[in-house]
Amino acid sequence: DGGITQSPKYLFRKEGQNVTLSCEQNLNHDAMYWYRQDPGQGLRLIYYSQIVNDFQKGDIAEGYSVSREKKESFPLTVTSAQKNPTAFYLCASSIQGWRYEQYFGPGTRLTVT
Amino acid sequence: AQKVTQAQTEISVVEKEDVTLDCVYETRDTTYYLFWYKQPPSGELVFLIRRNSFDEQNEISGRYSWNFQKSTSSFNFTITASQVVDSAVYFCALSGNRDDKIIFGKGTRLHILP
Repeated sequence: DGGITQSPKYLFRKEGQNVTLSCEQNLNHDAMYWYRQDPGQGLRLIYYSQIVNDFQKGDIAEGYSVSREKKESFPLTVTSAQKNPTAFYLCASSIQGWRYEQYFGPGTRLTVT
Repeated sequence: AQKVTQAQTEISVVEKEDVTLDCVYETRDTTYYLFWYKQPPSGELVFLIRRNSFDEQNEISGRYSWNFQKSTSSFNFTITASQVVDSAVYFCALSGNRDDKIIFGKGTRLHILP
């Protein structure tokens, strides 16, 4: 079955620790994205990558970092510099760029205390 | 600048009623793409439909239908004979021709009451 996997579903961390969220896709999509969703809110773009070894900052990149060393993988690191990291994180991919529909993973709910 | 407005924050209807979710967009692009996504309580967004600006035909998929009207810059979504499983947050989204990111509306939370 083709799709996007995110792990883990729930993640708990202590303040001051970096944490990496996993995102893998087997859809052979070129583009991948990370969004943050806060309760009752819409989606905000953190980072995106249109091609391997290249990525761009989204609207709220501060305190986050990514890598895109493989087409299938786009991990997101939430660093200790992120002021309010507790949120629901969604990863998505599309065949190419913004014109095409995005397919989303199940999300990771991160809680930092 | 591009913008998507979903004026209905929350809607509640009784099962089997029809319901329409509104989406109004703003863009200066002549070529653009509109999307609808569903976010059930599980959290994962599910793609429902993509429309390009040159295709104004209405689309029907089972109980779901979409009405695209360029004259009013709207791309409304109707669920006919709603079911409890339709309860979710629905997002409308817009992207332009210049590969210039996607803009999501704030979403409409739909409650279907049994």
